[in-house]
Parts: sequence; structure tokens; C-alpha cells
Amino acid sequence: GAVVSQHPSWVICKSGTSVKIECRSLDFQATTMFWYRQFPKQSLMLMATSNEGSKATYEQGVEKDKFLINHASLTLSTLTVTSAHPEDSSFYICSARDPRTGSLRTEAFFGQGTRLTVV
Amino acid sequence: SQQGEEDPQALSIQEGENATMNCSYKTSINNLQWYRQNSGRGLVHLILIRSNEREKHSGRLRVTLDTSKKSSSLLITASRAADTASYFCATDARGNTPLVFGKGTRLSVIA
Repeated sequence: GAVVSQHPSWVICKSGTSVKIECRSLDFQATTMFWYRQFPKQSLMLMATSNEGSKATYEQGVEKDKFLINHASLTLSTLTVTSAHPEDSSFYICSARDPRTGSLRTEAFFGQGTRLTVV
Repeated sequence: SQQGEEDPQALSIQEGENATMNCSYKTSINNLQWYRQNSGRGLVHLILIRSNEREKHSGRLRVTLDTSKKSSSLLITASRAADTASYFCATDARGNTPLVFGKGTRLSVIA
């Protein structure tokens, strides 16, 4: 079945540095991918919608200059956390749908998630 | 935006008992999905129920959907210690839109 792969699965970085997280659809092309953030013991909150060939759409309260999203190809979206601070420490997870199956199968596929710790 | 609300937020039961989690949502949906997440790990898709379905079974899982009340329930029968995890409902609108997750229920099954 369709698989979404996310890398890295965990990263520790120093305050002020930038971290890039990759999300790949392995056997389908995704014109749209979604990025979520999850703080400890909380639910997944949508951060942004990544659109291939155009600008990402950010949810209210999410800084687009801090969380840079690049959807350079139909199989890859990247999220870069710029000038990371300890409060950015969280679990980041991407999601995509397989458009080939149309409306008959609407299950979303999720990456494995990336645990970011900023020290 | 968060639209799902699960209750209870936390549930602790003995092994062998049944666990019921409820989810309410606010807008029209195409389907509703339940996910499981072990602490610090990714999501595992459990079951999907379409808006025109009222009940669905998968192994020890039973999901109901009441679109008139905009609510769903997840029942885990004969629970096991390995069922300990957080469970989230997620609503799915039509088109290529993101899933919207509820706040989740943290289930603890005590052996």
C-alpha cells in the first residue's frame, strides 16, 4: 500500500540552528501534503498545507518565516524549523493522500514523525 | 483548527474489561477515522467509518457513527495491557483536505 516516509525520526539541535525535516510519498505522487505538530500529551494540530509548485498555506498562529515549507516535487515536502528555540521542541508529523484511488479510499497516510528537541 | 472532542480524556481499566471512547465533532464530514498512538510514536490507523455507515467492526474494535448527533464511539472489547495508548478520532471532509484530530483519550489497561 501507499507509504509516507519521514526523516529524521528524531533530532537534537542547539538553539538558534535550523533543522530540516523531509516527508516523502514513496509510491504515489502527492500534490498536497500536510504538516502537523504535537506537543506532549496533546493532540495533533495542523500547522500548514504544503502545495507542490506553490506557496504553503499556514494555519493561524503558525509563523511562515519560522517554519519554512518547500514542496519541490510531487513526492517530497520539507519543513525547515529556522532559528529553533526550546519551545519549538515537539513531535512533527506529515501526512498525504494517494490521489490515484479517488474518493473510494480516503485514508490519509502519515509519516513516522520527527521528534525535535532543541537544547 | 481542532474540531473533535473526545471523552473521557483519560481512562484506566483492568485487563479484560471493555473500553469505550467517545468523539464529537462540529461540521459535516465525509468519514471519521480512529487512530492509535503509543507514547512518543507515530500514528496507527485503526478504522474508518463513512458518513453513510452507522457501525463498523474490526477484530476487537467496534465503531459507531451518529451523524445526526455528530458523534462517534470506539469500543475496544476484552482489553489487553498492550492496548495502552492514546486514541484519537479524526474527521475527514470531502476533497484533498487535512484530517482534523480530536484531543484524544489516554487509555491505560492494567494487567
